[in-house]
Amino acid sequence: AQTVTQSQPEMSVQEAETVTLSCTYDTSENNYYLFWYKQPPSRQMILVIRQEAYKQQNATENRFSVNFQKAAKSFSLKISDSQLGDTAMYFCAFMKPIPNYGQNFVFGPGTRLSVLP
Amino acid sequence: DSGVTQTPKHLITATGQRVTLRCSPRSGDLSVYWYQQSLDQGLQFLIQYYNGEERAKGNILERFSAQQFPDLHSELNLSSLELGDSALYFCASSVWVGQYTFGSGTRLTVV
Repeated sequence: AQTVTQSQPEMSVQEAETVTLSCTYDTSENNYYLFWYKQPPSRQMILVIRQEAYKQQNATENRFSVNFQKAAKSFSLKISDSQLGDTAMYFCAFMKPIPNYGQNFVFGPGTRLSVLP
Repeated sequence: DSGVTQTPKHLITATGQRVTLRCSPRSGDLSVYWYQQSLDQGLQFLIQYYNGEERAKGNILERFSAQQFPDLHSELNLSSLELGDSALYFCASSVWVGQYTFGSGTRLTVV
C-alpha cells in the first residue's frame, strides 16, 4: 500500500519570501502521479501542481515549482514570492492509475502554511 | 463557481440514520471522485466512477455506497451513521488525469 508523509505540520513564511514544503511517499509502483493541493480557509480544494513520475523534468506553475526526486521518493513544493493568499493547508497526494480509467489516491496529512505580512 | 455542484451544503442528522449526498460534475467530465475529510483521519479518497461504472475504490466503509447515473451526476449514500462519520465530504470531477475540479463540499454532522 502507498503512504504519503508530510513531516511539517505547520510552517510560516514572510510575505515575498520563499518556502519549501516537504513530502515523501512510499510505493513499489513505477507509473504514478503526484499532486499538491491547496485548501484555503474557505475549505475549497484547489489543484496547485501535478507531476508525472515518468517525467524527469520538474513541474512548474508560475510561483509554484516542485523538486521531484524519484529514487528518493521525495516531492517537495517550493513557493516563491509568497503572498498572503498562499495561506492555506497544503496536501501532497499520490495517484496510481489502474486499468479502465481508474485512479486511486492517497493523501498526506497536510502542512498548514501561514504567510505573514 | 467551480462547475462542480454539491448538495446539500450542510446536513445534520442523528446516529443510525441514512443520508444521500449529491454531486453534479462539471460539464463534459466523465469521472467523479468522492473524498472524506475528517479532523482525525485527514483527507481520504473513497471511490471513483467513470461514465457510470465504478473504477477505483479507496477507504470506503461497507456502510457507504455510491453510484453514478446516466446523466453523470453521482450520489454517495451513507447509512447507519455514527458520530465518527461527521466530516466534510468532497466530490471532484475530471475529464483527464490531473485536471480535477472540486465542489465546495457537504458538511455532515452526526449527532
